[in-house]
Amino acid sequence: GQNIDQPTEMTATEGAIVQINCTYQTSGFNGLFWYQQHAGEAPTFLSYNVLDGLEEKGRFSSFLSRSKGYSYLLLKELQMKDSASYLCAARPAYGQNFVFGPGTRLSVLP
Amino acid sequence: DGGITQSPKYLFRKEGQNVTLSCEQNLNHDAMYWYRQDPGQGLRLIYYSQIVNDFQKGDIAEGYSVSREKKESFPLTVTSAQKNPTAFYLCASRIPGQGIAGELFFGEGSRLTVL
Repeated sequence: GQNIDQPTEMTATEGAIVQINCTYQTSGFNGLFWYQQHAGEAPTFLSYNVLDGLEEKGRFSSFLSRSKGYSYLLLKELQMKDSASYLCAARPAYGQNFVFGPGTRLSVLP
Repeated sequence: DGGITQSPKYLFRKEGQNVTLSCEQNLNHDAMYWYRQDPGQGLRLIYYSQIVNDFQKGDIAEGYSVSREKKESFPLTVTSAQKNPTAFYLCASRIPGQGIAGELFFGEGSRLTVL
């Protein structure tokens, strides 16, 4: 079957660094996506990995290991506005639909 | 600005009533999707459409119906046959294979509550 796992909740302190992990099992693989979703709002696209390694975009970075079926999202210099849910999603193969994880709710404390 | 518009944002329904959620996009995207989001669960696919006048069932299509008469519009009807319709509904679109990654663009969502 197809499955994505990620922690349900995490808490971190303003100014700190936090890593949100995601493991996936899909039939084929054509990309790993991270979205940010504030409560009651639309998810917004953060990052995309299709090859192994780290992709950096400002305070956010995303890492992928295809052999391990593993990704993480790294958030640096945390701000209060980073309190949100972070959704991990995989695209099994070209033409197939996305598979979403349950989301990780991150709370940033002062 | 281009984007996806969902309406209404909040909707209350009595048991036994059908309701239709609107989704309109001006991004010129071919593919459109409807997802359901429940607390503690990932987004679950209800229906999707790759092209006008064609649509496919997703993982949880029972009790829902859609139409795709225009490229810009993909309304979702929640019928009385849907046993537990209270949820947050998200519409999305994309151009398969294009953009940074062919990523999904989402609307603001519609929260349906059955009384």
